[in-house]
Amino acid sequence: EPEVTQTPSHQVTQMGQEVILRCVPISNHLYFYWYRQILGQKVEFLVSFYNNEISEKSEIFDDQFSVERPDGSNFTLKIRSTKLEDSAMYFCASSEEVQYFGPGTRLTVL
Amino acid sequence: GDSVTQMEGPVTLSEEAFLTINCTYTATGYPSLFWYVQYPGEGLQLLLKATKADDKGSNKGFEATYRKETTSFHLEKGSVQVSDSAVYFCALSEGLLGDYKLSFGAGTTVTVRA
Repeated sequence: EPEVTQTPSHQVTQMGQEVILRCVPISNHLYFYWYRQILGQKVEFLVSFYNNEISEKSEIFDDQFSVERPDGSNFTLKIRSTKLEDSAMYFCASSEEVQYFGPGTRLTVL
Repeated sequence: GDSVTQMEGPVTLSEEAFLTINCTYTATGYPSLFWYVQYPGEGLQLLLKATKADDKGSNKGFEATYRKETTSFHLEKGSVQVSDSAVYFCALSEGLLGDYKLSFGAGTTVTVRA
C-alpha cells in the first residue's frame, strides 16, 4: 500500500539554524500539507500546497517558513532561523480525497 | 472558526470493554468529519469518516455517526483489544474533495489492558 514517508525521523538543531524537513507524498496525489504538533497540544495546520503554489496557510506559517516541491517526488518544509518554540512533531500529508499522513519528524531546537 | 472539542484522556480500559470517545464540533456550513488514530511510533491513520448528517462511518469494529442536531461525532467500539491502544483524534474539514485543511481535536490516549 502506498504511503507518505518523511525524513529525518528526528532532527536536533541549535536555535537560529536552518532546517529542512523532507516528505515524499503518495505519487498520484496532487494536494500536499504540513501540520505540526507541539508536545501535549493539538495537531495544527500549517500550510497546503497545490499546483506548485501555496493554497492556504495558517498564522503560524510566517516568513520563517517556506515550502517547496523541488522535483516530482519531494515536498519540503524549511524553517530559516529556528526558535525554541518550533520544537514539535511535524507531519506531512497528501491527498486526492482523504488525507494520508507520514510518520512525522520530531524537531528539537536547543 | 471551525473547531473540535474532544473528550480528555487518558482512558484506560480492560480488554473486551466498551469504548466511547466524545467529540463535538463547531463549524459553519456542513463539514466532513473524521477519526484518525495514531499507534505508538507511527503517523496518523484515517480510521473512519462521514461526510453528511446521519452518515455512519465504520472500520475495524469502530463506529461513529454524524449527528448534526447535537454537532457530535462520538467514536464507539463494543469490545476493545490490547491492539486498540493508541491516540485517537477527531477532526473536521470544510470539504472532502480537493484542497482542504483538517482541524483536529486534542487527541485522546486510550490504553487497553489484558
